[in-house]
Amino acid sequence: NAGVTQTPKFQVLKTGQSMTLQCAQDMNHEYMSWYRQDPGMGLRLIHYSVGAGITDQGEVPNGYNVSRSTTEDFPLRLLSAAPSQTSVYFCASSRGEISSYEQYFGPGTRLTVT
Amino acid sequence: AQSVAQPEDQVNVAEGNPLTVKCTYSVSGNPYLFWYVQYPNRGLQFLLKYITGDNLVKGSYGFEAEFNKSQTSFHLKKPSALVSDSALYFCAVSPLYNFNKFYFGSGTKLNVKP
Repeated sequence: NAGVTQTPKFQVLKTGQSMTLQCAQDMNHEYMSWYRQDPGMGLRLIHYSVGAGITDQGEVPNGYNVSRSTTEDFPLRLLSAAPSQTSVYFCASSRGEISSYEQYFGPGTRLTVT
Repeated sequence: AQSVAQPEDQVNVAEGNPLTVKCTYSVSGNPYLFWYVQYPNRGLQFLLKYITGDNLVKGSYGFEAEFNKSQTSFHLKKPSALVSDSALYFCAVSPLYNFNKFYFGSGTKLNVKP
């Protein structure tokens, strides 16, 4: 199993550009989530999904969109990038409720917005 | 508001000595508590969790954590540190009212010196 994969690993955007961060898992996990990691702030939940067709907002959802058309994929879209979105982004998946099952994290995408 | 505090940005310990990484939380009710570890340029890995029961929980790589309800703390411990334990450690909580949301602390860098 590849586990949780994320592409790209690095990305530089200009303010106002849009892009999609890809996340895929091959463990047939129902739960998937996106976090951003900023220095001194730990990880903050952006959006999560409890299954195909179901998404919900996390702690910092503004400026990001998600969709979940399949169990395997959970892309994160930045519609109009801003410098405040410079961060490292992690995707994670879990077999079920994260209180019951451990989360598996991808290797991350380092995004810089200039 | 939910919050998780890791009061030490960095903990230094000599190999073979016991280590403690501190975590306190402020969450309504009795949350579920977790520790994750992050090695350089990698995603997070699950170490252990407390759901209910014995206040001392054991996890991966010889780590354990003690839940203290009165002090709202969940400190990570290991009796004998290894150089390979050097990494970034995150405490996280999942509130009872929403098992699918996670709140992370800011992280503590553990340095184990030979």
